[in-house]
Formats: sequence, structure tokens, C-alpha cells
Amino acid sequence: QVLLQESGPGLVKPSETLSLTCTASGGSILSYKWSWIRQSAGKGLEWIGRTDTTGNTKYNPSLKTRVTMSVDKSRNRISLTLKSVTDADSAVYYCARSTILGVLTWFDPWGQGTLVTVSS
Amino acid sequence: QSVLTQPPSVSAAPGQKVTISCSGSSSNIGSNYVSWYQQLPVAAPKLLIYERNKRPSGIPDRFSGSKSGTSATLDIAGLQTGDEADYYCGTWDSSLNEVVFGGGTKLTVL
Repeated sequence: QVLLQESGPGLVKPSETLSLTCTASGGSILSYKWSWIRQSAGKGLEWIGRTDTTGNTKYNPSLKTRVTMSVDKSRNRISLTLKSVTDADSAVYYCARSTILGVLTWFDPWGQGTLVTVSS
Repeated sequence: QSVLTQPPSVSAAPGQKVTISCSGSSSNIGSNYVSWYQQLPVAAPKLLIYERNKRPSGIPDRFSGSKSGTSATLDIAGLQTGDEADYYCGTWDSSLNEVVFGGGTKLTVL
């Protein structure tokens, strides 16, 4: 079973860019879709978007203007950048292997998550 | 406020059965399959149910899902104290063009 590990700075200043990486081990990222999902403190889950290893992406419309996802096949990892962050972007960020196909949607497995705080 | 509506909390005694509901609309639950996730305290969500009523390897058959119209339910039978967690439903919304989740339901096993 593939294991996912998110990494990145735990603290980002307002208006700056958040950059996170998800490294997969125990399996290849090829031929799968990968999503980023976040969870604000004490709140529910928010899907940020997904990418596949051909560079095809789909983003949450509410975040679309600030989000970029990409993959590094040689390093078996998926990246997320979120521009112009505010306090509202403080959350635990998860990466997950995703099935989003027609009527089917599910996420499995998930990484352990990484906490990002936006503060000056 | 989440697109999918779940009760904030449910509770039941050990050994009993509990049902967690997830209400949506024709553009999400009404036209797509729902997946369910368990989030234990200080842990990442874990997939419980996907597609019609499939369980990943390792998920016991005490967990089952169903759908009727624009609502879905997760049933947990033979409750155990280890089932205490937050449970989330999720699906694709064809109108919003994004994945949507419920606000989560906190299960307490009394």
C-alpha cells in the first residue's frame, strides 16, 4: 500500500505563497490522480483540487485563481502551491490518492497531514 | 455551511447500531456515489465506504452504506468504543464542479 507524507513550512506570512510537497513511498504515483484536501481547525474537509501524472488538473472553483498543482515523476511526489494566503488558509493539508471519475469519487489512502499556519 | 448536511453528533451504546445521515441534492448525492470517511482523534481521515457499498480491505462489514434519492446513510453495527470518531460523507457535485463534503458527525459510544 502506498504511503503518503506531506511536508512544507508550518508557518507562512499573509500575502505570501504556500508550497507543500507530498512524497509517495511503497508505490508509484503514475497512472493515478492525486488530490489535496484541507481541514481548518475544528472544521470539516475542503477539497482543493486534483492532478494526474499527465499534468491534467482540476481545481476547486473557489481557489482556482490561487492554486497550482504539479507532479514530479522522477521523485514520486505531488506539489501544491497556494498564492496570496490569508488567515483563512490556515489548516491541516492532506494529500490523497483520488478516484474522481464520472459518478465515482473517493480518496484512499491519505497522508498524515501537515499543519500550516498563516501568521505574521 | 457545508453543501452536504450531516447531524453534528450521534451517540449509542456499545453493541448497538447507529445511523449517520448525509443529505444533499440532485446535483451531488442524487447523481453520484457517496464515499464515507472515519477520522479518529488526531488522525487523518480513512476511507470506509465507496461506490455503491464497497469497503476497502481491512474495513469490517459492521460498516455499511446506502443511498436513496438525494440522501445517503452510513450504518455502524455492533458499536465499539474504538468507533468513536468523526465521520464525513463526500461526493462530486455536478453543478458546483467540485468535490463536496458534509460537515462531519461526531460519534460518541456511551
